[in-house]
Amino acid sequence: QSVLTQPPSVSGAPGQRITISCTGSSSNIGAGYDVHWYQQLPGTVPKVLIYSNSNRPSGVPDRFSGSKSGTSGSLAVSGLQAEDEAEYYCQSYDSSLSSYVFGTGTKVTVL
Amino acid sequence: EVQLVQSGAGVKKPGESLRISCEASGYSFTTYWISWVRQLPGKGLEWMGRIDPSNSYPKYSPSFQGHVTMSVDKSISTAYLQWNSLKPSDTAIYFCARVVAWHLDVWGNGTTVTVPS
Repeated sequence: QSVLTQPPSVSGAPGQRITISCTGSSSNIGAGYDVHWYQQLPGTVPKVLIYSNSNRPSGVPDRFSGSKSGTSGSLAVSGLQAEDEAEYYCQSYDSSLSSYVFGTGTKVTVL
Repeated sequence: EVQLVQSGAGVKKPGESLRISCEASGYSFTTYWISWVRQLPGKGLEWMGRIDPSNSYPKYSPSFQGHVTMSVDKSISTAYLQWNSLKPSDTAIYFCARVVAWHLDVWGNGTTVTVPS
């Protein structure tokens, strides 16, 4: 049972903008811990997409952006492309569990 | 180039022991923690725990405490994940990853562990 909740699926047409939410609580995101986002293309290793709420590693297109507010984080993908079809996971730290935690995952489909 | 290279896939019988490895290169191994992440077939990512290579101190997720053992060998920049008695429910892909600023910035290639029932 993950403590970070994401929508199971999100879809959009090429070129559209989509957002993925990551809802936590007062013991993780709400406690001030950062939100990080990972992309896992089918059959591949996860890679970090956004770290520390809104920072992009080098090589990640600026179509991807992240934000955090209260007990939630959010990932936005603008100018959706076919290659963005993947599973996306948020991650934070939970002080009650003394553990890093992942979100439930969101499958993005490009229509 | 920073890399984490994991040992190959393994098929084991229930009750057998197993140790998988994660060899780091391209950076100072003792500077950053190594985490282990499990992915059950068709499921999401689960954080298993992390180990500090500088002092070999592990911190396990409550869900995995007592079920696995994490260790390192600093002399060869390698982290290990070990089971003493495998179960079919341990069938999964296991990733190691480097921990930087509370996130996992470099991931290993993954090790598939299969324990047929």
